[in-house]
Amino acid sequence: RKEVEQDPGPFNVPEGATVAFNCTYSNSASQSFFWYRQDCRKEPKLLMSVYSSGNEDGRFTAQLNRASQYISLLIRDSKLSDSATYLCVVHGNQFYFGTGTSLTVIP
Amino acid sequence: DTEVTQTPKHLVMGMTNKKSLKCEQHMGHRAMYWYKQKAKKPPELMFVYSYEKLSINESVPSRFSPECPNSSLLNLHLHALQPEDSALYLCASSQEPLSNTEAFFGQGTRLTVV
Repeated sequence: RKEVEQDPGPFNVPEGATVAFNCTYSNSASQSFFWYRQDCRKEPKLLMSVYSSGNEDGRFTAQLNRASQYISLLIRDSKLSDSATYLCVVHGNQFYFGTGTSLTVIP
Repeated sequence: DTEVTQTPKHLVMGMTNKKSLKCEQHMGHRAMYWYKQKAKKPPELMFVYSYEKLSINESVPSRFSPECPNSSLLNLHLHALQPEDSALYLCASSQEPLSNTEAFFGQGTRLTVV
C-alpha cells in the first residue's frame, strides 16, 4: 500500500470555479502534512502546511482529519495561474509524496 | 536566504562519463535530500542526510554516490549512468530530520544520459 494516495486527475475547471483535492495517508504516526505546487519543468514549492484546525490562505483552504487520515485542499475562485500539479506530502521519517493532481483552469 | 541552489541546471553526459551534481543551502538546515523525478511522476526519494551522515538510502544503484562535505553542501556523484537515469534531480533541505517543518527544494538539475 502506498504511503500517500492521491487522485491524479486531471481536473479541468473553468475560471472562477471551486475545486477540491483529496489525499489519504497510511501511517497514523505521520507528524506533518503539506500541499506543494509544481509547475511544469519546475521544482515543487510549498503552497500550505496543513493543520488539524484547518488553515486558510486567501482562496486556498487546507484541512486535516487525523481520525480518517485524510487531507484536503480547496481552491475557490480558480485563476488561470492556478494551473499546476498539486502534490500532497506527508512527513514521518522522510517526506512521502502523493502522485500529484493535475489542475488546468480554462478561460 | 530561503534558497536551495543546485548546479548545473542542465547536464548532458555520456554513459562512460563521471560528473557531479551540487546542492547548497545556507538556512542552517540539518537534513538534506536527493530526489529523482521522471516526467509526470512525483519525486522519488534517493538519499537522506541527517547531520551530515547518510541516514536513508532507498536502494539506489551504486552508480549514484552521494556526499555531504559539510552542513551546507550536498553532492551527487554520477558514474556509468544509463539512459533510463535521465530525469530531473532535485535537492531539498529541511530544518531537522524529524521536525514538523517543510522541505525547501532547489530548482533541480535536468540530466540527460546519452
